[in-house]
Amino acid sequence: AQSVTQLDSQVPVFEEAPVELRCNYSSSVSVYLFWYVQYPNQGLQLLLKYLSGSTLVESINGFEAEFNKSQTSFHLRKPSVHISDTAEYFCAVRKMDSSYKLIFGSGTRLLVRP
Amino acid sequence: DGGITQSPKYLFRKEGQNVTLSCEQNLNHDAMYWYRQDPGQGLRLIYYSQIVNDFQKGDIAEGYSVSREKKESFPLTVTSAQKNPTAFYLCASTSRTGANYGYTFGSGTRLTVV
Repeated sequence: AQSVTQLDSQVPVFEEAPVELRCNYSSSVSVYLFWYVQYPNQGLQLLLKYLSGSTLVESINGFEAEFNKSQTSFHLRKPSVHISDTAEYFCAVRKMDSSYKLIFGSGTRLLVRP
Repeated sequence: DGGITQSPKYLFRKEGQNVTLSCEQNLNHDAMYWYRQDPGQGLRLIYYSQIVNDFQKGDIAEGYSVSREKKESFPLTVTSAQKNPTAFYLCASTSRTGANYGYTFGSGTRLTVV
């Protein structure tokens, strides 16, 4: 069975500092990987995804994540955060088969302080 | 613009009462999902449906029921058998052909027992 572990429940960081949100997964088969962001009282929005090809994927707002197959990780990074990045971030995994089920991690709350 | 509409945004339920949460999508997506979100627990799958007139239980289906009579609609009923229904409920959908692009989420319904 697949599982997703987000090691940090909350990450406080000062504005303009770099940040890394960690995600590890376990699966016996190849997977697709996703990061979602959730602002208070809203649904989840897709931030970025790894499907195949280059192991480094980027979002339009400066986040990036690197797929590391040997370490089964998909950590999310941003070199300089803004106050507006304060939100909950979810890592998710889906098997490369006919199932469309996403398995989510427990989430990491990013708290950016001025 | 296409998307998923969840209604109502806030819902209050009395003890022993059934309530129905609405989820409608105009994305022509085949598969639809209901998740429950509690603080610190991430998203837990309640029910999902990959085609009309068919649905499967997720990890926490007890006390909930669904129907999928139309492709666009996937309502969730929270029955009186659900002893702790206070939570944030999220509906999502994905396309069978574009499933590797992850889910599209609604903006959620916050249910509170009074």
